[in-house]
Order: sequence, then structure tokens, then C-alpha cells
Amino acid sequence: SQQGEEDPQALSIQEGENATMNCSYKTSINNLQWYRQNSGRGLVHLILIRSNEREKHSGRLRVTLDTSKKSSSLLITASRAADTASYFCATDGGAQKLVFGQGTRLTINP
Amino acid sequence: EADIYQTPRYLVIGTGKKITLECSQTMGHDKMYWYQQDPGMELHLIHYSYGVNSTEKGDLSSESTVSRIRTEHFPLTLESARPSHTSQYLCASSELGASGTDTQYFGPGTRLTVL
Repeated sequence: SQQGEEDPQALSIQEGENATMNCSYKTSINNLQWYRQNSGRGLVHLILIRSNEREKHSGRLRVTLDTSKKSSSLLITASRAADTASYFCATDGGAQKLVFGQGTRLTINP
Repeated sequence: EADIYQTPRYLVIGTGKKITLECSQTMGHDKMYWYQQDPGMELHLIHYSYGVNSTEKGDLSSESTVSRIRTEHFPLTLESARPSHTSQYLCASSELGASGTDTQYFGPGTRLTVL
């Protein structure tokens, strides 16, 4: 069964606004990762947060992790047109594998 | 940008043909993966490898096969392609860490269409 589920499935905002995406998972994890995928391309790693961390920042990205609720959020501040992409959360599925959610399709309107 | 390459980028073939999708990485990573992804959908792991001569089936059943004769090379083969194999195939690699799950680096993908 699917480990990570992103919410919302699609998000459309104006350039300059903040975008928040959420991820819920079912079983205990060692870490959670966020990836970005531009249309028709491979995935690019954005950020990894370990189970003993609650918040992490990287540039305009802010990730939070709540292990008690089995959820994570990705915040992109001051969005730009180039941020238009699909965003996936991924959790460790055992045997050093990753399990990906369905992704959130983010559209930044100019 | 990750040093992981996939060829071809696009492939349109007829039913029953044998095809091999190539994946190579120059990062010296031990672990490599193949995912299948339909448009707008999640990734499904179909094969992975911990190193040379190691191959394992993933979470999604697939009629494809893989081999790992060299560290840098992880080709995927379909002996007889069918329209149901139409999808995007993504290759990835990561370092073999002591514990936990490492960051994966993805190739650009091969979009396969079987007529």
C-alpha cells in the first residue's frame, strides 16, 4: 500500500505567494525526503529531514515533520514561475528503498 | 545536476519487439533503481540493485528484467513489449549508506510508447 500521500493533489497560486504542500504516511520512518519533478523529467532531491528533526530550511524551502501525526509539510516562500512542477514526498520503505506519494502539482501563475 | 544518463529519451515501438532501456551513472554509486511512472501519477519501484551481480524485484510486478554487470550500468529489458508497458521509466542511483535511506539521483527518464 502507498506510504506517502500528498495533499492537495493540485495547487495553483500567484507568483510571489507562498505554497504549502502536505504529506501523510502510515508507518514509522527513519527520514522523509521531498523531491521536485518538472514535466517529463526525472526527480530532483530538495531536502531530507530525519525522524528526530522537527524543522529544516533550505533557501526558500521550509520542511516540518510531526512524527506523532505521521505528517510533513513543504513550504515554498515567495514562489516563482520556475517553481511550477510536481512535488513528491518519499519515505524509507525498508531495505534502503524509497516509497513515493502521488505528488502535488504546483502551478505558479505570473 | 546528477551524472546519470538514460537512453533513449523517447521510444515508440510495435507490439512484440524486444527493447533495452539504458541507464548509466558516473558517480560510483552502488545502489541503482528502476521506477515506472504513468503521467501525473506516483512512482512505482520495479527493480533495484545493491551492487554488481545484485538485482531484486521491486514493489510493482513487472515483466521486465535487469542486469548489473558493471557498477555504472543498469539496463532494463523487455523481451516482448505490449501496449500495457507504455509508461515513463526512471532510473536512479544512490550511495550505499551504513543505515537509513540515502538521497536518490534520477536520470531524465525514457518515455516508452508501445503501439
